[in-house]
Amino acid sequence: DAGVIQSPRHEVTEMGQEVTLRCKPISGHDYLFWYRQTMMRGLELLIYFNNNVPIDDSGMPEDRFSAKMPNASFSTLKIQPSEPRDSAVYFCASSLGSGGADTQYFGPGTRLTVL
Amino acid sequence: EDKVVQSPLSLVVHEGDTVTLNCSYEVTNFRSLLWYKQEKKAPTFLFMLTSSGIEKKSGRLSSILDKKELFSILNITATQTGDSAVYLCAVCSRKGAQKLVFGQGTRLTINP
Repeated sequence: DAGVIQSPRHEVTEMGQEVTLRCKPISGHDYLFWYRQTMMRGLELLIYFNNNVPIDDSGMPEDRFSAKMPNASFSTLKIQPSEPRDSAVYFCASSLGSGGADTQYFGPGTRLTVL
Repeated sequence: EDKVVQSPLSLVVHEGDTVTLNCSYEVTNFRSLLWYKQEKKAPTFLFMLTSSGIEKKSGRLSSILDKKELFSILNITATQTGDSAVYLCAVCSRKGAQKLVFGQGTRLTINP
């Protein structure tokens, strides 16, 4: 079975540009999570969805960040405009959810560098 | 606010040693505690613990939960250089609806 798929794996962009990160969760998983990881702050939850509906976006840093999940097999995280402090590894994860299945499975991540 | 604290933050040992990593937590309506291993890439799942006193084991790794004292330990015996990684502890609360709260991680380095 394919795991969580993310694209691109690496993104280098200039300050002010729009960045779109993509995620395909594991088929059948009801929950999808977006995380950001930096050396300073560790792994931070940005937003998560249940059955394509955003449940908690309290971790989204500011209005420059937005996330969508138009269907069960696709989600995007957009940063517009990007800033150097957005440089980090962004992970997408999914979990089954039902029956208390809490284990989240992570994608390979997107390493974002904003110059 | 739910909180997870791991210790030590960093640990360097020699190959063959046994290590114990600690995770303490404060969470409303605890449901489960999870351990992940992160090498250079994404965190990979190790264990999920829900009941006190029941050891989960996988090869040289084992983990146990104490819900009364609100902590968990991860043991690695006969360490190998391939065990070098950051080990992350996370908790899930019934209130949080699948949301995991992660600790800051323990960076383990195994020297040959």
